[in-house]
Amino acid sequence: DGGITQSPKYLFRKEGQNVTLSCEQNLNHDAMYWYRQDPGQGLRLIYYSQIVNDFQKGDIAEGYSVSREKKESFPLTVTSAQKNPTAFYLCASSPGTGNSYEQYFGPGTRLTVT
Amino acid sequence: GESVGLHLPTLSVQEGDNSIINCAYSNSASDYFIWYKQESGKGPQFIIDIRSNMDKRQGQRVTVLLNKTVKHLSLQIAATQPGDSAVYFCAELNRDDKIIFGKGTRLHILP
Repeated sequence: DGGITQSPKYLFRKEGQNVTLSCEQNLNHDAMYWYRQDPGQGLRLIYYSQIVNDFQKGDIAEGYSVSREKKESFPLTVTSAQKNPTAFYLCASSPGTGNSYEQYFGPGTRLTVT
Repeated sequence: GESVGLHLPTLSVQEGDNSIINCAYSNSASDYFIWYKQESGKGPQFIIDIRSNMDKRQGQRVTVLLNKTVKHLSLQIAATQPGDSAVYFCAELNRDDKIIFGKGTRLHILP
C-alpha cells in the first residue's frame, strides 16, 4: 500500500517542549515538504527538501527544524522557539521538479501546545 | 507580487447542480496551476492540473478553465454529490518551482 504517512494523528505538548512530527513515504519521491495549516487558512510552506541530505527554508521556517537523512523520511521538529505551534501540520512528497509537480499529502498531524 | 486568492470563502450548492469555484492569481508568469480537495481532518488530494498553454482541461466530473487574460482559474464540478463537500484550494507554481496555495473555498452541499 503505497503512500505517505504521518504519525501521530493528534499530538499534545506542554509549552517549552520540543516535539518531532514523523513523515514517511514509500513512493520513491525525491522531494518532500512540510506545511502548516491554521483554521480557515491555506497551506504555508515551512521547509522542503528536493534531495537527500539537503533542504531549504520555506516561508515560515522560524522555530522549526528538519532533517533528510533518508529518502523516505523527512521529520519536522517544532522547537520551543516557535511562538504559535498549535496547528495542523501536513507533509507532502512529489516526484520532484520536471514533468510532475503534483504533491501527495499525508493525513496530517494536529499539534496542540498548552 | 505573487498571490493566489479565492473569490468566496463558502459556496452552497444544491445536490445535483453544477458547482463553480473561482480563483484569481496575480503572477502573469505562472504557467502551472493545480486544484486540490481537502476533506475535514485530512490532507489535500490532487484533483486536476492545467498548464498555461491550455484554456481548458477535463477530468472525471471536473473541468478546469484558465483565463490568462484576466488571470482567473475556475473549477467546475458537474452534478455535485454529498461526497464533494470539502475545501477546495487552487495553487500555482511560482518561479522557484514552489507551489503556492490559496486560502480555499468551502463547498457545502444542500440536500
